[in-house]
Amino acid sequence: KAGVTQTPRYLIKTRGQQVTLSCSPISGHRSVSWYQQTPGQGLQFLFEYFSETQRNKGNFPGRFSGRQFSNSRSEMNVSTLELGDSALYLCASKGQPNTEAFFGQGTRLTVV
Amino acid sequence: EDKVVQSPLSLVVHEGDTVTLNCSYEVTNFRSLLWYKQEKKAPTFLFMLTSSGIEKKSGRLSSILDKKELSSILNITATQTGDSAIYLCAVDKTTDSWGKLQFGAGTQVVVTP
Repeated sequence: KAGVTQTPRYLIKTRGQQVTLSCSPISGHRSVSWYQQTPGQGLQFLFEYFSETQRNKGNFPGRFSGRQFSNSRSEMNVSTLELGDSALYLCASKGQPNTEAFFGQGTRLTVV
Repeated sequence: EDKVVQSPLSLVVHEGDTVTLNCSYEVTNFRSLLWYKQEKKAPTFLFMLTSSGIEKKSGRLSSILDKKELSSILNITATQTGDSAIYLCAVDKTTDSWGKLQFGAGTQVVVTP
């Protein structure tokens, strides 16, 4: 079956702009989580969506938001981009508790 | 504050060597510990450990959890250049929604021919 798909793969944005990233989970998976990966901070949890509801949120400013659609696809949005938002954004989906999370290839965001 | 600490942060070995990676955690309400391998972008799943003392194996890789010591090790025997990657350890808590993982900083492994 198809894996987790993230689009776009690469993005270059200017400070102050906003950006929307997309994630399509594995078919049947209703949990979608987002992570930010930077060389200095490693992989940090942003938020998780399950059945269109955000059920957990990491320690990130309100500029980071997300949503999930009825088909479990998820989007995350970052407004008023800052240079420090440059990172690899990874999406992971999970089908059941006590199972592994499957990751997408990520979106590499560069803010200039 | 919960912590997941991996050591070493990086290492370089020769093909054929054995590598041991460490992950220690200080978390409340521990549920499971997971190991991932990240070569380019997408971390790929290696092991999930929930019970102490039970070794999980897959080919040349193995891992074990020690709940008393709050730690886990990942062993790679007869290393190959294809084992070069970042190895990530993550912890899952019973009090968190099951989509949330807390990761360590990772161990960068370089295997030279």
